[in-house]
Amino acid sequence: KQEVTQIPAALSVPEGENLVLNCSFTDSAIYNLQWFRQDPGKGLTSLLLIQSSQREQTSGRLNASLDKSSGRSTLYIAASQPGDSATYLCAANSGGSNYKLTFGKGTLLTVNP
Amino acid sequence: GAGVSQSPRYKVTKRGQDVALRCDPISGHVSLYWYRQALGQGPEFLTYFNYEAQQDKSGLPNDRFSAERPEGSISTLTIQRTEQRDSAMYRCASSPNLIDTQYFGPGTRLTVL
Repeated sequence: KQEVTQIPAALSVPEGENLVLNCSFTDSAIYNLQWFRQDPGKGLTSLLLIQSSQREQTSGRLNASLDKSSGRSTLYIAASQPGDSATYLCAANSGGSNYKLTFGKGTLLTVNP
Repeated sequence: GAGVSQSPRYKVTKRGQDVALRCDPISGHVSLYWYRQALGQGPEFLTYFNYEAQQDKSGLPNDRFSAERPEGSISTLTIQRTEQRDSAMYRCASSPNLIDTQYFGPGTRLTVL
C-alpha cells in the first residue's frame, strides 16, 4: 500500500527566501507524482506533474524533482512571495493497474512580508 | 475552457437521508475520480472511472456508497442512509487519461446532522 509523507508539516519563511518542500513515498513503482496547491477553504490547483521517466519539471519559480529509486520528490520555490502562502500537497499515482492518487497531509507554507 | 464543476457546493442533510453528489468533468476527459477530504488531511481516494467503466472502487468506505458514470461524462456519487461520520468535503477530479494531470473541482461540502 502506497504511503506518502510530507516534511515539514508547516514552514514559515520571510519574503524573498528560497525554500524546499519534501515528499517521500513508500512504493517506487509510480506512474507519476503531482504537486498541488490548496488555499484555505478552496480547491486543489495542480502545480506540476512529473512522469516516472522524468527527473524534474519547472514552472516559473517552481521546480519539482523526482528520485524514484529513493522514493523522494522535492518542490523548490524560488524568491518566495506572500502570495505563495498556502498548503502544498504531493500525490503519487501508483503503478500497476492502480491509477489513484495517494496524497500526503501537506505542508502549510506561510511567507511573511 | 470550463473546469471541473460539482453540485451542489454545499449540502446539509439529516441522518438517514440519501444524497447524490454530481460531478461534471472537463470536456473530453475520459478519466474521472472521486476523493474525500477531511480537515487538515490530504484527499483520500474513493473510486475512479475510465470512460463509463468503474475500474476501482476499493476506496468506498462501505456499501452505502456508490458511484456511476453511465455515459462516460457526468458522474454521480450517492450516499444512502447518511451518517454523521460521512460529513466531509467530497472532491471530484478529471484527467485526459489515467496517467495525466488530474484537475480538481471545487468540491461539495457535505454536513450530516
